[in-house]
Amino acid sequence: AQKITQTQPGMFVQEKEAVTLDCTYDTSDPSYGLFWYKQPSSGEMIFLIYQGSYDQQNATEGRYSLNFQKARKSANLVISASQLGDSAMYFCAMRETGGGNKLTFGTGTQLKVEL
Amino acid sequence: DGGITQSPKYLFRKEGQNVTLSCEQNLNHDAMYWYRQDPGQGLRLIYYSQIVNDFQKGDIAEGYSVSREKKESFPLTVTSAQKNPTAFYLCASSRGRPSSRETQYFGPGTRLLVL
Repeated sequence: AQKITQTQPGMFVQEKEAVTLDCTYDTSDPSYGLFWYKQPSSGEMIFLIYQGSYDQQNATEGRYSLNFQKARKSANLVISASQLGDSAMYFCAMRETGGGNKLTFGTGTQLKVEL
Repeated sequence: DGGITQSPKYLFRKEGQNVTLSCEQNLNHDAMYWYRQDPGQGLRLIYYSQIVNDFQKGDIAEGYSVSREKKESFPLTVTSAQKNPTAFYLCASSRGRPSSRETQYFGPGTRLLVL
């Protein structure tokens, strides 16, 4: 079974609107971390936001927030007030404490912000 | 500025040739990683190193080799045994703490093409 599933290959959003990128995960490890990365066309992976499995509150970093629903095993990324520069590939990843320092990545969602 | 550098940006390999991709970091991180990215896919872990002079195979280590003689350097060799080496290669590093919060930071990547 896939450990990280991103079901939206591509998404479109209008500038200044909010958009939600979906991510579901599968693990039996009680301690894990969930990460979102942005990959612009240049290729570099940029860390956006982190959510720990024991965190009581949803993580927020500026315009990025993480809608963490532990029982449903979902960790959706919400981008508010989209900007043209947000157009990129977005990856969800998981680190299981029992798995060492390894990250497991989803297949990504291509986001296109339109005027 | 602290960061991760990868060179070259583009690399061409002839059939039967070994090539080495460079990765250097000045973040004083203990752990370093190599990932491979194919079109339409997420990142897959090739090798990782938690400490100098030690490294472990990731999910797709066949046809690759690494060394970790210095803390700041983690070169990846793509050997002739790797039958399909054309891909985008990303190097990452992290502090190396045994925590689910451990964040990996990435370099700009090297694109390898087979002639």
